[in-house]
Amino acid sequence: QSALTQPPSASGSPGQSVTISCTGTSSDIGGSNYVSWYQQHPGKAPKLMIYEVTKRPSGVPDRFSGSKSGNTASLTVSGLQAEDEADYYCSSYADNNMRVFGSGTKVTVL
Amino acid sequence: QVQFVQSGAEVKKPGDSVKVSCKASGHTFRNEGIHWVRQAPGQKLEWMGWIVPTNGDIQYAQKFQGRVTFTRDKSPAIIAYMEMNNLKSEDTATYYCATSKGITLSAPPGSDHWGQGTLVTVSS
Repeated sequence: QSALTQPPSASGSPGQSVTISCTGTSSDIGGSNYVSWYQQHPGKAPKLMIYEVTKRPSGVPDRFSGSKSGNTASLTVSGLQAEDEADYYCSSYADNNMRVFGSGTKVTVL
Repeated sequence: QVQFVQSGAEVKKPGDSVKVSCKASGHTFRNEGIHWVRQAPGQKLEWMGWIVPTNGDIQYAQKFQGRVTFTRDKSPAIIAYMEMNNLKSEDTATYYCATSKGITLSAPPGSDHWGQGTLVTVSS
């Protein structure tokens, strides 16, 4: 199972929006509604930001939103804040009850 | 308060084995699994597989099949174990246990619980 493809980096100024893509195949993202996004700060465990494509866990700001079209999922962070600077990973359910993570995107707040 | 507490850092030599533990407290497991995820220094997250503490069901990622073994104790507390044999330098990583709705499909909506991570260093 190959990793899902994400851009290595993305950036935006405070208050702007940034969108991160996550491209897979019909065996994972394209065939599943179980796509999620994790935020990871240096030295910390990942934190769930979006699950089941669009749902936010309690406590996650509504500035974070998810979507999916075909084999590509996206995470949008609106109204960027300094604390949003982190690594972001997508994840998807895949065939045969497997899971796969994305390659990761480093978001920089300029 | 749900907590997953993992065992401490390990330093191993190539060819050695390592066993990492993950003790769960404050959580009543039904049929959701504890997943294992690793992250090499400066690298991406990598899913290794899961074990369901209540019934012992297991699934391994293809890459780790045959070299990794998941086990668990149920009493008096649930402790999950990840054992990896024939260690190589490229196995140097932080190993996490987790029950997170993003990867544990049967977990409660929005739940997200991770251990603190266990650094395993493989060096001659």
